[in-house]
Amino acid sequence: NAGVTQTPKFRILKIGQSMTLQCAQDMNHNYMYWYRQDPGMGLKLIYYSVGAGITDKGEVPNGYNVSRSTTEYFPLRLELAAPSQTSVYFCASSPGTDYGYTFGSGTRLTVV
Amino acid sequence: DAKTTQPNSMESNEEEPVHLPCNHSTISGTDYIHWYRQLPSQGPEYVIHGLTSNVNNRMASLAIAEDRKSSTLILHRATLRDAAVYYCIGRLGSARQLTFGSGTQLTVLP
Repeated sequence: NAGVTQTPKFRILKIGQSMTLQCAQDMNHNYMYWYRQDPGMGLKLIYYSVGAGITDKGEVPNGYNVSRSTTEYFPLRLELAAPSQTSVYFCASSPGTDYGYTFGSGTRLTVV
Repeated sequence: DAKTTQPNSMESNEEEPVHLPCNHSTISGTDYIHWYRQLPSQGPEYVIHGLTSNVNNRMASLAIAEDRKSSTLILHRATLRDAAVYYCIGRLGSARQLTFGSGTQLTVLP
């Protein structure tokens, strides 16, 4: 049972480049989330999904897009990378609203 | 909303119990109280959650005040591996998504 798997673990992007952060879970969880964590700060919610085909914005969605075509995958897309998007990105999943979250190990992104 | 308030930092000696407090005076009656911890350079890790009564698991105990305005995470015997940032969280929004504050940095002294 792999849990929540995030790829890549590290990435350096140039300003204006695009990339997709991958997130996969094998627990059949309906709820999935993307958070970012800036140095020394707490986590901020970017987007979340309550099931395949359903996504919604969190606290800091600007500059990001998501899709959820299947239960297992919840990729996060950065279209035009900016230095302000330098952060560690965490994906999480949960079976429902009253259950705990399982987090991935994170993707450390640097935009230069 | 279910905003929480925690001390910025706490210290404990190894092998002693640790009580981490959290105030959540605006939590709704149906919101679970969640605790997570984050070790350096790792993703957050689920610790425990509860609604009204005290909860125990292999990692910790959660004591919830009768009025639900506060709770305490109890680590029964702190080890050096318990040094982490501990987050007390209420759920917000239509999907009851977790909203993280700044947490409590726990230092365990040998």
